[in-house]
Amino acid sequence: EPEVTQTPSHQVTQMGQEVILRCVPISNHLYFYWYRQILGQKVEFLVSFYNNEISEKSEIFDDQFSVERPDGSNFTLKIRSTKLEDSAMYFCASSEEGTWGETQYFGPGTRLLVL
Amino acid sequence: SQQGEEDPQALSIQEGENATMNCSYKTSINNLQWYRQNSGRGLVHLILIRSNEREKHSGRLRVTLDTSKKSSSLLITASRAADTASYFCATDGYGNKLVFGAGTILRVKS
Repeated sequence: EPEVTQTPSHQVTQMGQEVILRCVPISNHLYFYWYRQILGQKVEFLVSFYNNEISEKSEIFDDQFSVERPDGSNFTLKIRSTKLEDSAMYFCASSEEGTWGETQYFGPGTRLLVL
Repeated sequence: SQQGEEDPQALSIQEGENATMNCSYKTSINNLQWYRQNSGRGLVHLILIRSNEREKHSGRLRVTLDTSKKSSSLLITASRAADTASYFCATDGYGNKLVFGAGTILRVKS
């Protein structure tokens, strides 16, 4: 069964450094998402992406964040200058369509620790 | 906020018993989904119920939706130790983002 994959599974970085989190969505899916979950808290929406542009973003997704689909398979989340509070599990998800009623399939996550 | 909120926050049962988790939300929705998360792992999609549906089954899972009360329940029958996980409801009333609740931590003792 097709799966969303994410790399790396764990990333440790120093505050102020840039990190790029990578995702390979399910191949025939058109909508892509990033969510994050701070330890012990709810899963929070960051951004959705369709047709090579952001379709929606949350207030968490400020100027330090960016997303890109550099080729036909990868979908990346870049955090330009990491802060301690960026430490979280980051999940990528994809769906076949972006309309209501579409299941979003999640990857296993990247655990980011900012020191 | 249209957040889903689950209760109870934690539930501990014996293997073989049924587990019921509830979710409430605040605004109109198009659908509601339930996900499972094993400790520190990814989110696994369990079931999606549309706003015009009242009940849905998938294996040992039964989900109900009451849009008049803005609530949903997830029933896991004949629970197993492997069902131990956190369970989240997620709604998508606006746009295509999912809004998750805080989750119910289920522990099934063998």
